[in-house]
Amino acid sequence: AQSVTQPDIHITVSEGASLELRCNYSYGATPYLFWYVQSPGQGLQLLLKYFSGDTLVQGIKGFEAEFKRSQSSFNLRKPSVHWSDAAEYFCAVVPFTGGGNKLTFGTGTQLKVEL
Amino acid sequence: GAGVSQTPSNKVTEKGKYVELRCDPISGHTALYWYRQSLGQGPEFLIYFQGTGAADDSGLPNDRFFAVRPEGSVSTLKIQRTERGDSAVYLCASSQGDSGTQYFGPGTRLTVL
Repeated sequence: AQSVTQPDIHITVSEGASLELRCNYSYGATPYLFWYVQSPGQGLQLLLKYFSGDTLVQGIKGFEAEFKRSQSSFNLRKPSVHWSDAAEYFCAVVPFTGGGNKLTFGTGTQLKVEL
Repeated sequence: GAGVSQTPSNKVTEKGKYVELRCDPISGHTALYWYRQSLGQGPEFLIYFQGTGAADDSGLPNDRFFAVRPEGSVSTLKIQRTERGDSAVYLCASSQGDSGTQYFGPGTRLTVL
């Protein structure tokens, strides 16, 4: 079945440490790939997206993600985490089948930042 | 410019009642999406409009749920005979065309007692 998996429900890192959030997808063809962030009481904000081309994608707030076709992964990274990065992070895909842009989300990873 | 807005921000209702949730998309965005986010889950797709018509309503859970977008701008999600299981945050998003980046509103938190 087609799915998006975020294996880590919760992650805690110290401020200033590096971060990697995992995302794996299971689709026949490479879908469009997205990372969104959701802060308490806020709407979802797009961090970055991958459609094609360079497999290392730069986003806002110092985030980047790397698409690895062989691993069906699109992991999110940040070299140095700030306390304000504490939030929930969602990986999402749009299957490359045309006919709309409906997103399928993973279950999310809750990031806690220790000062 | 103004982002996607949703009203009300919170709605508490009793089981069996009817509710309407409103979404104002970004001006000029032709595509509008509704998602539902249950506690501890990622958002799940409900319905997608391109202009005034529902292009894909495959995510609506049953016939108690209905959405309209009569003038191709504001959309209303309507839920009849609400059930406790309908409690969730209902998110709206809009995009420029059906392949553009989706911008999300803050959501409406629906609680069915």
